[in-house]
Amino acid sequence: DSGVTQTPKHLITATGQRVTLRCSPRSGDLSVYWYQQSLDQGLQFLIQYYNGEERAKGNILERFSAQQFPDLHSELNLSSLELGDSALYFCASSRTSGASDTQYFGPGTRLTVL
Amino acid sequence: GESVGLHLPTLSVQEGDNSIINCAYSNSASDYFIWYKQESGKGPQFIIDIRSNMDKRQGQRVTVLLNKTVKHLSLQIAATQPGDSAVYFCAETPLHQFYFGTGTSLTVIP
Repeated sequence: DSGVTQTPKHLITATGQRVTLRCSPRSGDLSVYWYQQSLDQGLQFLIQYYNGEERAKGNILERFSAQQFPDLHSELNLSSLELGDSALYFCASSRTSGASDTQYFGPGTRLTVL
Repeated sequence: GESVGLHLPTLSVQEGDNSIINCAYSNSASDYFIWYKQESGKGPQFIIDIRSNMDKRQGQRVTVLLNKTVKHLSLQIAATQPGDSAVYFCAETPLHQFYFGTGTSLTVIP
């Protein structure tokens, strides 16, 4: 158990819909990262937040957005969902904002878009 | 985008043998590299890391080698055990981005 929690574990929805994925980092960690893992693209970095502020942005679509709240939990919002958005979404956390700080991954949310 | 070992090869080894998993990276600006292990149904788990000013780093039963000349990383697992069966990813972090390969699937045969 990494100490990072993600909810829900599974999510099934339809094209065009909007969903919110939630992540709680390890106690004491200030950075949260979001990743998408699909069969054809592998693990893709989406975005990083540090202490409530956006720190780095990767291959995140405009239809996707994220935020980190004062209690440090984070939410990833996916809108206008397409079939291709079906994937595993992982959250990770680390103590600091440094790229070389060890990231601890949660168990993931499996999103299926029908 | 960046490419980090985009192939997903498979590797089967006998229990007790040593395993070597290879990875090619593409960004010369990368100064930090990580190996992750992902078991079925779980998130990636940190195994070992190495900075670009090193060419070798050892952990418990694992060694990472870095060859910057040819942009190549390898992960060596000594005395491979059934619990080592998983997908292994390398990752690089150029300019505060995080790029992962598609991984190598390791199967340990008892």
